[in-house]
Amino acid sequence: QKEVEQDPGPLSVPEGAIVSLNCTYSNSAFQYFMWYRQYSRKGPELLMYTYSSGNKEDGRFTAQVDKSSKYISLFIRDSQPSDSATYLCAMIPSGGYNKLIFGAGTRLAVHP
Amino acid sequence: DTGVSQDPRHKITKRGQNVTFRCDPISEHNRLYWYRQTLGQGPEFLTYFQNEAQLEKSRLLSDRFSAERPKGSFSTLEIQRTEQGDSAMYLCASSVSTELGFFGPGTRLTVL
Repeated sequence: QKEVEQDPGPLSVPEGAIVSLNCTYSNSAFQYFMWYRQYSRKGPELLMYTYSSGNKEDGRFTAQVDKSSKYISLFIRDSQPSDSATYLCAMIPSGGYNKLIFGAGTRLAVHP
Repeated sequence: DTGVSQDPRHKITKRGQNVTFRCDPISEHNRLYWYRQTLGQGPEFLTYFQNEAQLEKSRLLSDRFSAERPKGSFSTLEIQRTEQGDSAMYLCASSVSTELGFFGPGTRLTVL
């Protein structure tokens, strides 16, 4: 079993929809939780990160962490065709030096 | 350009050949990471440098793989006697101690 599980999709939604992306994890030592966006044939780009449990909002994006359930989410409001990409969740255990443990990524397509 | 750069962007080689990739981190970033990403999967950690010291190597990094970071600046990743299973995107990321990493565009390796 992988440390971080993420549904690979693909997820197809109409423009303007609310998108919900999720990951579960098994390692209770994870302290930092990140969401990366990756366009085809490009490197991952950091969207948001949270430390421990709670919510964080940045424009149309909201990240949620529930450590008791070992479950994290990313919500995208008013989705746009330019949001079409692969979304990767990633986690860092406490201590160490920021080595990232990634989920498999969810492919999202937002159609006009 | 002040981002992480990688060279080449795409490498096609025949099985059994040696290949070398280069990563130039963001200036003054003391941490450098290599990851490998296969199709439909998230990036997997390969190795980590703090300045010129290689502090961790994943078990994914077989004895055919070697990485260096002379003088704590750019880094190279060499794969000897390439196999078809080495075909992947090789990603480099850099950071300072208190930050999360910034990824480069990656080098896509195709082994025929």
